Amino acid sequence: SQTIHQWPATLVQPVGSPLSLECTVEGTSNPNLYWYRQAAGRGLQLLFYSVGIGQISSEVPQNLSASRPQDRQFILSSKKLLLSDSGFYLCAWSEGRGGQPQHFGDGTRLSIL
Amino acid sequence: GQQLNQSPQSMFIQEGEDVSMNCTSSSIFNTWLWYKQDPGEGPVLLIALYKAGELTSNGRLTAQFGITRKDSFLNISASIPSDVGIYFCAGPVTGNQFYFGTGTSLTVIP
Repeated sequence: SQTIHQWPATLVQPVGSPLSLECTVEGTSNPNLYWYRQAAGRGLQLLFYSVGIGQISSEVPQNLSASRPQDRQFILSSKKLLLSDSGFYLCAWSEGRGGQPQHFGDGTRLSIL
Repeated sequence: GQQLNQSPQSMFIQEGEDVSMNCTSSSIFNTWLWYKQDPGEGPVLLIALYKAGELTSNGRLTAQFGITRKDSFLNISASIPSDVGIYFCAGPVTGNQFYFGTGTSLTVIP
């Protein structure tokens, strides 16, 4: 069966520091991969999605970036974090063919001080 | 742009009661998804609907794909404390992306 792993579960970072959140999927090939941000327990905002290695679509302009160095690995990064980057970050995957449900990881709670 | 409106925003019910929530969109969907999110965790897929009029159950949960294809309903029968959480609907923007509703927060009072 397929599994998705996100880490770390919790992160506290100072303003201006870099960020790297990692997500990996097991048990499937060529999945679609997604990064979402959720503020205050509501409203999933799509940040990035990828349909293949090296292919990244950005939905929201900001100081975050994403990369997909391997088929089942998706990384969310920032060079300099802002206070507004605080939130709950969720990685998700779906089967490569269109219209398939997304399956989420357990999320990373990011607090910026 | 596309909007998914969920109602109610929050519900406080007694254990054992039935729950009903819905989701409406401004355009036609060919897929509806329902998720539940426990505090501090990622959303978990409950039910997926692919056909107008479809009625699908998952234990005490039942979801329906509205005939107009612009709405969907989720019902929970005989609620229990572990039903607490936020329930999200989702519908496709494109083949690879989904819009998510703003969520219905459910509190079950023992």
